[in-house]
Amino acid sequence: GQNIDQPTEMTATEGAIVQINCTYQTSGFNGLFWYQQHAGEAPTFLSYNVLDGLEEKGRFSSFLSRSKGYSYLLLKELQMKDSASYLCASMDSNYQLIWGAGTKLIIKP
Amino acid sequence: NAGVTQTPKFRVLKTGQSMTLLCAQDMNHEYMYWYRQDPGMGLRLIHYSVGEGTTAKGEVPDGYNVSRLKKQNFLLGLESAAPSQTSVYFCASSKKREADIQYFGAGTRLSVL
Repeated sequence: GQNIDQPTEMTATEGAIVQINCTYQTSGFNGLFWYQQHAGEAPTFLSYNVLDGLEEKGRFSSFLSRSKGYSYLLLKELQMKDSASYLCASMDSNYQLIWGAGTKLIIKP
Repeated sequence: NAGVTQTPKFRVLKTGQSMTLLCAQDMNHEYMYWYRQDPGMGLRLIHYSVGEGTTAKGEVPDGYNVSRLKKQNFLLGLESAAPSQTSVYFCASSKKREADIQYFGAGTRLSVL
């Protein structure tokens, strides 16, 4: 079956670094997406990886290892506004996104 | 800069009632999607459309119907609502299907009593 696993909740301190892990198992693979979702709002796109390695975009970076079925999202210099859920999604061979349940990130001052 | 607009934002239905959720996008996107989001679960695809006049079933299509008569609009219908359809519904659109960003509407919070 198809499955995406990510931690349910994480807590970090303002100004620190946090890494949110995601493992995926899908029928075929056409890339790995990360979205951010603030409570009561729509998901918004953060990053896309299809090749192995690290993609850096400002304070956010995303890593992919296709052989391990593993990705992580790295958030640096955490700000209070980063408190949100982070959704990992793998695109399968039919170009359908298979979504994880999301990781709720709590930032403490 | 509207993007993807969903109406209504909230709705309460009684079991057996029907309703239609409207999604409109102004980005000229070909692809549109309806998802539901339930606590502790990932977004699940209900139906999607690859262009005007086309629709296809997603992962959880039972109890829902859709129509895409105009490119910019994608309607989701519940003919006879059930408590299991209590959820937050999101519409999304993308320019391409493969490797493309999906843009989401603000969601519709539906309760079926």
